[in-house]
Amino acid sequence: ETGVTQSPTHLIKTRGQQVTLRCSSQSGHNTVSWYQQALGQGPQFIFQYYREEENGRGNFPPRFSGLQFPNYSSELNVNALELDDSALYLCASSTRGRSYNEQFFGPGTRLTVL
Amino acid sequence: DQQVKQNSPSLSVQEGRISILNCDYTNSMFDYFLWYKKYPAEGPTFLISISSIKDKNEDGRFTVFLNKSAKHLSLHIVPSQPGDSAVYFCAAKDPQGAQKLVFGQGTRLTINP
Repeated sequence: ETGVTQSPTHLIKTRGQQVTLRCSSQSGHNTVSWYQQALGQGPQFIFQYYREEENGRGNFPPRFSGLQFPNYSSELNVNALELDDSALYLCASSTRGRSYNEQFFGPGTRLTVL
Repeated sequence: DQQVKQNSPSLSVQEGRISILNCDYTNSMFDYFLWYKKYPAEGPTFLISISSIKDKNEDGRFTVFLNKSAKHLSLHIVPSQPGDSAVYFCAAKDPQGAQKLVFGQGTRLTINP
């Protein structure tokens, strides 16, 4: 069973640029959630994708957008990067059902905005 | 608006003793609580969870206690082992909409030999 993978591992961008981060969900999982973890803080929910549609969103501006593909992999896009976007971006996959199913996290992508 | 709080940024415990990590929350609608463990350069790893209808859940050396009236939960690790040294995050599931998790700030646990 393959776990959650993310690419790239590290990324350096400058203010105003755009970035795309990628996530492959764990085998058998159909739901992907994205989180932002700033230094010294816990992860913060950005949004979730289920059946290729956004299924909930946290308190993040529209320049944070995403996609989910038929194979359940996902992308997180951030436009007009700001210095405060520097963080660890975590992807988590899970399955939807009547009961709660735990989310399994990838290793994250460390984004640095200069 | 910090709905889930871990007030201790760090905790140091002797190997073999009990580690107790605490977490407070404000939203009484949370219906599920989880603990995650994180090593450097890795994503959070699920450890143990508890439904809001229970007050205790045990899994090996790990036990989570939930006090709904106090809006408080704790994770007990006994006996503590050096491999338990990591950052521990408490998280709560918001029942509205997506399976969104709200995380605390984390507690760095160090187990001393």
